[in-house]
Amino acid sequence: EVQLVESGGGLVQPGGSLRLSCAASGFTFSNYAIHWVRQAPGKGLEYVSAINTNGDSTYYANSVKGRFTISRDNSKNTLYLQMGSLRAEDTAAYYCARSGRSGWYDSWGQGILVTVSS
Amino acid sequence: EIVLTQSPATLSLSPGERATLSCRASQSVSSYLGWYQQRPGQAPRLLIYDASNRATGIPARFSGSGSGTDFTLTISSLEPEDFAVYYCQQRSDWPLTFGGGTKVEIK
Repeated sequence: EVQLVESGGGLVQPGGSLRLSCAASGFTFSNYAIHWVRQAPGKGLEYVSAINTNGDSTYYANSVKGRFTISRDNSKNTLYLQMGSLRAEDTAAYYCARSGRSGWYDSWGQGILVTVSS
Repeated sequence: EIVLTQSPATLSLSPGERATLSCRASQSVSSYLGWYQQRPGQAPRLLIYDASNRATGIPARFSGSGSGTDFTLTISSLEPEDFAVYYCQQRSDWPLTFGGGTKVEIK
């Protein structure tokens, strides 16, 4: 069974940093691009960042560019999102999502809440 | 950035009724349009990809159509578990974008 499990969320002050992890199991992690998608409370979905299979190509939404860094460790089947200079508007549930063979998000984690507040 | 506009924002229907959801793109996305369902407290689930292909395990009552800028998700006969929020998404161009969602609620 394909599983993606996020961790590392919580409450952080504005300007602070946080690192999210996404542990994958049930599939060959190194064969798939993985993305981060977020959802502010009561709002819609927003694409955040993506990384290709070997980690040498990344993409960021303009809203997080220069503040967030996506990375992966294929030996540990884990995806990361290093978040810095956090703002109140970064408050959201963060999902990791697998980009399947069709190119679409065919598996999602359960999401992890990040709250940026003083 | 490609903007996806979903309508209506809310659809109030009864079980057994037909639901028709619309997604309009600000520029052509060819057939690179997908649909996701999100139930309360759950992660989104892929329903339709490439405009008209059902994802694995998705019931036949869900169907997608369209190309270019206008797309439709149809649920032929609503089941109780279909009352949820539906999002369209394009992967024609970066950044990938989602529509604002359509909530299908029980009338």
